[in-house]
Amino acid sequence: EPEVTQTPSHQVTQMGQEVILRCVPISNHLYFYWYRQILGQKVEFLVSFYNNEISEKSEIFDDQFSVERPDGSNFTLKIRSTKLEDSAMYFCASSSFGEGNTEAFFGQGTRLTVV
Amino acid sequence: AQSVTQLGSHVSVSEGALVLLRCNYSSSVPPYLFWYVQYPNQGLQLLLKYTSAATLVKGINGFEAEFKKSETSFHLTKPSAHMSDAAEYFCAVSDPGSSASKIIFGSGTRLSIRP
Repeated sequence: EPEVTQTPSHQVTQMGQEVILRCVPISNHLYFYWYRQILGQKVEFLVSFYNNEISEKSEIFDDQFSVERPDGSNFTLKIRSTKLEDSAMYFCASSSFGEGNTEAFFGQGTRLTVV
Repeated sequence: AQSVTQLGSHVSVSEGALVLLRCNYSSSVPPYLFWYVQYPNQGLQLLLKYTSAATLVKGINGFEAEFKKSETSFHLTKPSAHMSDAAEYFCAVSDPGSSASKIIFGSGTRLSIRP
């Protein structure tokens, strides 16, 4: 069964460093998303991406964040200068939202720890 | 704007007892509704979804949910709890009219099962 894969599963970084979280969406999907879940809290929407541009972003997704689909298969989330409060589980998701497809499929997540 | 409210951050039931996790939604348009489950240290798995077809939706692992427009509810139930059902459950909503619609999650309900 097709699945969304994320790498790495766990990333530890020092405050102020740049991190790139990687995702391989399901191959025929057109819409891509990043969500974050701070430990013990709800899953929060960060950004959606379609047709090589951001469709929507939340207030969390400030100038420190960027997304890219560099090669037609990967979908990355970059945090330029990490802060302690960026520590969270980051989930990538993809969907086709065509007829008969009505949900997003989530990856297993990358746990980011900023120290 | 769409939102979901999950009543009860923690629910504890005995093994074999009925599971009832409550979710109420707010949406200006007929929504798509979802229940996701998250086992400890794992990603998000879709349990079931409502997409404007049958109001009683059956999902995996014996769970089901009923869409009640008059009550703006989408409560999750399971007739008989199993120890393996212990997890975090998230109700979620999206706008079917938007092709790149983000999913909005509730704050989650942690389900504990007593032996």
